[in-house]
Amino acid sequence: AQTVTQSQPEMSVQEAETVTLSCTYDTSESDYYLFWYKQPPSRQMILVIRQEAYKQQNATENRFSVNFQKAAKSFSLKISDSQLGDAAMYFCAYRRGGWGTASKLTFGTGTRLQVTL
Amino acid sequence: SAVISQKPSRDICQRGTSLTIQCQVDSQVTMMFWYRQQPGQSLTLIATANQGSEATYESGFVIDKFPISRPNLTFSTLTVSNMSPEDSSIYLCSVEGRGLNTEAFFGQGTRLTVV
Repeated sequence: AQTVTQSQPEMSVQEAETVTLSCTYDTSESDYYLFWYKQPPSRQMILVIRQEAYKQQNATENRFSVNFQKAAKSFSLKISDSQLGDAAMYFCAYRRGGWGTASKLTFGTGTRLQVTL
Repeated sequence: SAVISQKPSRDICQRGTSLTIQCQVDSQVTMMFWYRQQPGQSLTLIATANQGSEATYESGFVIDKFPISRPNLTFSTLTVSNMSPEDSSIYLCSVEGRGLNTEAFFGQGTRLTVV
């Protein structure tokens, strides 16, 4: 079974600074996807960034980027120029490969990010 | 993308009663997923609901406790039966994007409190 581990229950960053959230996972599959989701107090799950395992290039979405180390099974999220609106719970998630059939997500335990002035 | 409407957004229920949560999607999807998020915890999959067949439940979840209906390709319900305070959680439905889009979309969740 796949597992996703987030070892940082809480993190804090000052506005405009950079923070990195850690995630490791375990799988025996070679084809999979990794995600970072953000959950603000509104409870709405929002996709931050997605990485396909077959892609060597790290995904980037504006201020958000990942460091995907496939051999080490590591998938960290870097938030640059942090903003107050980035404060939320961040979940790392794994999905097995194959786009013909929808598949469940396996989530990590989450990291609560605080952004301070 | 997919827009999901989930009802109710919150409820307070007496122990021993049941609550049915509805999930409506703005497009046809084959699979719908129901997750539970216990207070301060991560999301755990309860079951996968396929149209036209019985739902597939994850380990630790049973149909008698969490019956699911999937009458068509845009709608599903999850019932939390014979509730106890331990069932107090957020329940979320989710679908996946179409085609090559593997992004999962979520409803806004139902915050359930059992007293």
